[in-house]
Amino acid sequence: DIQMTQSPSSLSASVGDRVTITCRASQSIRSYLNWYQQKPGKAPNLLIWTTSNLQSGVPSRFSGSGSGTDFTLTISSVQPEDSATYYCQQSYSTPITFGQGTRLEIK
Amino acid sequence: EIQLVESGGGLVQPGGSLRLSCTVSGFTFSDYWMQWVRQSPGKGLVWVSRLNGDGSSTSYADSVKGRFTISRDNAKNTLYLQMNSLRDEDTAVYYCGRGCFSNSGGCVGSWGQGTLVTVSS
Repeated sequence: DIQMTQSPSSLSASVGDRVTITCRASQSIRSYLNWYQQKPGKAPNLLIWTTSNLQSGVPSRFSGSGSGTDFTLTISSVQPEDSATYYCQQSYSTPITFGQGTRLEIK
Repeated sequence: EIQLVESGGGLVQPGGSLRLSCTVSGFTFSDYWMQWVRQSPGKGLVWVSRLNGDGSSTSYADSVKGRFTISRDNAKNTLYLQMNSLRDEDTAVYYCGRGCFSNSGGCVGSWGQGTLVTVSS
């Protein structure tokens, strides 16, 4: 199975900060990396698909990059509504696996 | 509007069975891979299973293989998850999800609201 490791596990940022979350795969997953946002008590919401493609309706302050084993999710200017947990997911092979999540707190 | 509505969750004893349903609307169900993802209380997302559009291809997480069965009825626009031999560690909110694009079995572009399964004596 492909292991997905996110860092950091949690972070705190001020409104307007640039935030980067990293996701590392235990083996190459090419570009088959997706990012989700989940708010408490809600279902996840797709942000980025296949490394860098912004899902329709997602604000442009979210972006993704990387390839192979190392990937990043960047929020260019954090907003209060971005307070949530973020998960990466590899869809290169089954079993599909998620990272453990990164909790973002807005100061 | 795309909608996915799960049902069938509840309290079940260890060793028992439960069948979850996910009824969808707003898209051509048979064109899409469907998935089940679960989340134990306070924990992260865990992929459970997926199924292609005509039901001919399935995959499972090792933790549920041999106990859970994913299926679909395209005439009823409904996805199922039959869960047998349930264990305490199967306690979770179960989400159904639709593939991002037709014939895509990877990312999940639309999610249901989830249904809680509690396995306890």
